[in-house]
Amino acid sequence: NAGVTQTPKFRVLKTGQSMTLLCAQDMNHEYMYWYRQDPGMGLRLIHYSVGEGTTAKGEVPDGYNVSRLKKQNFLLGLESAAPSQTSVYFCASRRDGRITYEQYFGPGTRLTVT
Amino acid sequence: AQTVTQSQPEMSVQEAETVTLSCTYDTSESDYYLFWYKQPPSRQMILVIRQEAYKQQNATENRFSVNFQKAAKSFSLKISDSQLGDAAMYFCAYRSPERGSNYKLTFGKGTLLTVNP
Repeated sequence: NAGVTQTPKFRVLKTGQSMTLLCAQDMNHEYMYWYRQDPGMGLRLIHYSVGEGTTAKGEVPDGYNVSRLKKQNFLLGLESAAPSQTSVYFCASRRDGRITYEQYFGPGTRLTVT
Repeated sequence: AQTVTQSQPEMSVQEAETVTLSCTYDTSESDYYLFWYKQPPSRQMILVIRQEAYKQQNATENRFSVNFQKAAKSFSLKISDSQLGDAAMYFCAYRSPERGSNYKLTFGKGTLLTVNP
């Protein structure tokens, strides 16, 4: 049971390039979330999904797209990377059902856009 | 919308001493959940402690305890007998109990805790 994994762990992009971050969970969780973490800003929600085939915008969705074609995977895409998207990206997942269930976080991806 | 404020960007404590990290929040909801997460240099987010707003008793997990003051909308974390391994960034987070909120977390900006030997 690997929990929540993120691929890649590190990436450097040039402005205008595109890339996709992969989040995978093996816990059969319904809910999945993408956050970004910037110095002095805490974690902010980018997009989230409440189940396979669904996505929704979070607090800071501009410049990102997401897809959840399979229940276990949640992809975050940057179509045209900008330096402002330099950040650490975290994925999290959560089981549906009891309201006491917690979110489980992946190890993060550090992205630098030059 | 809910907001979470951590007014201490950095704190330091001597090993074996006690330290308290502050968190205040703003909400119009009467029932909700509050969390403290620890993020060590490895970047992994680790849940430290959770408090349900409807419970008057403060949550405790070993050396970690909270002081939950609902009327004041305050949720501080006390770390007793601080250890070098407690050094990390600590985040306070809020979550609505409503299923319609999709269990989203709202985080504070974090407090960086240094433990001095």
